[in-house]
Amino acid sequence: QITLKESGPTLVKPTQTLTLTCTFSGFSLSTSGVGVGWIRQPPGKALEWLALIYWDDDKRYSPSLKSRLTITKDTSKNQVVLTMTNMDPVDTATYYCAHKGAGMEFFDYWGQGTLVTVSS
Amino acid sequence: DIQMTQSPSTLSASVGDRVTITCRASQSISSWLAWYQQKPGKAPKLLIYKASSLESGVPSRFSGSGSGTEFTLTISSLQPDDFATYYCQQYNSYWWTFGQGTKVEIK
Repeated sequence: QITLKESGPTLVKPTQTLTLTCTFSGFSLSTSGVGVGWIRQPPGKALEWLALIYWDDDKRYSPSLKSRLTITKDTSKNQVVLTMTNMDPVDTATYYCAHKGAGMEFFDYWGQGTLVTVSS
Repeated sequence: DIQMTQSPSTLSASVGDRVTITCRASQSISSWLAWYQQKPGKAPKLLIYKASSLESGVPSRFSGSGSGTEFTLTISSLQPDDFATYYCQQYNSYWWTFGQGTKVEIK
């Protein structure tokens, strides 16, 4: 059974760096073709894909946020970490991590999401 | 960037209605399209992948079609559990993009 769970601060100040951790089970991020992505959703708005890391450490970023994002993985801990620099109130959103299967360019398992509020 | 445009943004329908949602890509994405259902306060749920493949466990009243730039999600007979927001998502060999969502409301 695949499960993912996001963790991190619920409140960050403007200009600070956000660090979120996705802890997963039921699959290995060393399996060929597998990836873990991050998607966010501001309150009442649409989903926005942010970043994805593949089993082989290949990393993809949203072009509009690339300069602010870093995604890393710790295969031994079954964790993926997303950092976003220079946080702004418009970054207030629920942040989800999700599993992407080998050869499957979609997200079939999602975490419950974590709401991050950016406010001074 | 590939833009995904869903229509309509909101749809009012009754139980038993046939419902169709359209998603258009700004350039061809072959069949690299997925559909998700999201209910308030919950994570999205995968319904359809590769434009027309039904995810395991999803009721057969959901179906997807299309290729290239135009895609549709059809609910053949709307059920009370189907009132939700639906998103399309594309993959273009480098990154992923979601549509802006279609909210299906009770008429």
